[in-house]
Parts: sequence; structure tokens; C-alpha cells
Amino acid sequence: EAQVTQNPRYLITVTGKKLTVTCSQNMNHEYMSWYRQDPGLGLRQIYYSMNVEVTDKGDVPEGYKVSRKEKRNFPLILESPSPNQTSLYFCASSLSGAGVYEQYFGPGTRLTVT
Amino acid sequence: DAKTTQPNSMESNEEEPVHLPCNHSTISGTDYIHWYRQLPSQGPEYVIHGLTSNVNNRMASLAIAEDRKSSTLILHRATLRDAAVYYCILRDIDNYGQNFVFGPGTRLSVLP
Repeated sequence: EAQVTQNPRYLITVTGKKLTVTCSQNMNHEYMSWYRQDPGLGLRQIYYSMNVEVTDKGDVPEGYKVSRKEKRNFPLILESPSPNQTSLYFCASSLSGAGVYEQYFGPGTRLTVT
Repeated sequence: DAKTTQPNSMESNEEEPVHLPCNHSTISGTDYIHWYRQLPSQGPEYVIHGLTSNVNNRMASLAIAEDRKSSTLILHRATLRDAAVYYCILRDIDNYGQNFVFGPGTRLSVLP
């Protein structure tokens, strides 16, 4: 089944403790991206990747890192999480970044930083 | 990205058609019109997209105005499962390095 998977689905952590949220897709998609969703602010793009080793900042990249060493994986790294990074995170992928293609979203990761 | 404007919320009765409008008066000739929806507690899911002509798929229909400054997502028979936030987004056909920008969308309520 074609899908985007994220792990973990739920995570509670403490301020400053490094964490990684994994994202994987099995559709051989070139484009992958991360979003966060907060009440009243909607979905905002954090980082995106046009292909392996090609990443770029979205609208809210501060406090996050990403890497794209393989086509299928696009982990989101929070090196020193803070409470303002408590949010619902979604990973997405698309055949390419061009506007003709749709994005497929993962189920989400709910992160709480205390 | 060109901006889109949608009503904050709409209500429909079950098994009736729903027309969700989107205004995009600054759309460029190479912008695709995309619709996504987000069901409660789920990630967004793709619904439909088009460039100039009306489009149909198993989920919905997309009607695009002749001047492309507005579009309407049509759910032919709303079900309770269609209650969601619907997002209208413009994506340039050639702009590979472009952010994906979601607005606040339209919250659709479906009444039994």
C-alpha cells in the first residue's frame, strides 16, 4: 500500500532533550516536506526537500533540522526542543515539487515538550 | 504563491450537494488549483486539482471559472464522513522550489 509513515505517533519529552521524528514513504517520491499544525495558525511548512541531499527552509524552520540522505526517508530533528515546539507534525511527499502533483500526508506526530 | 480566500465555515445536510467556493483573483496562468481536506484527527488528504477545465474524480468535482479567478469544489452527496476542513491552494506548475501554503480553509459541517 502506498503510504507515508511517521514515528513516533505520540511523544512527550522535556526541554533540551534531542529528538528525531522519522518519516518514510514507499512511493519513490522526490519531494518531501514537514509541516506543523497549531490551533489558530493552521498548517505551516517547516522544511522541504526537492530530492536527495537537497533541502530548503519553509515558513517556520527555526529550531528544526532535516536531512535527506535517502529518497524514502526525511527525518525531522529537534536538537534542543522547547515548549513552543509542542505541536502536531505532519510529513508529506509528492512525486515532485511541481504544481501538477498532489501531496500525500502521513498520520501525524503529536509532540509535547515540557 | 497567489492568495486564496475561502469562507470560514459552511454547513450542509447529509445526502445533499455541497458547493465550497474559493476566490483566487491573483492567480497566474501557470497556477494549478488544488483542494485538500483534513478530517478530524487525521493528516490532510488530496481531493482534486485542475488548471483550466472542470475536473471530476471519485471524491468530488472541481468547477473552475472561465477567468480562473474562482473555483468551486462540489461534493455531490455529502455524507457525515465529509465533515472536514477543506483547503484551496494554488501551486505553480513550474515552481519546484515553492513553499506549500495552506490557508485557514473552510470548516464543513454535515448535519444528519
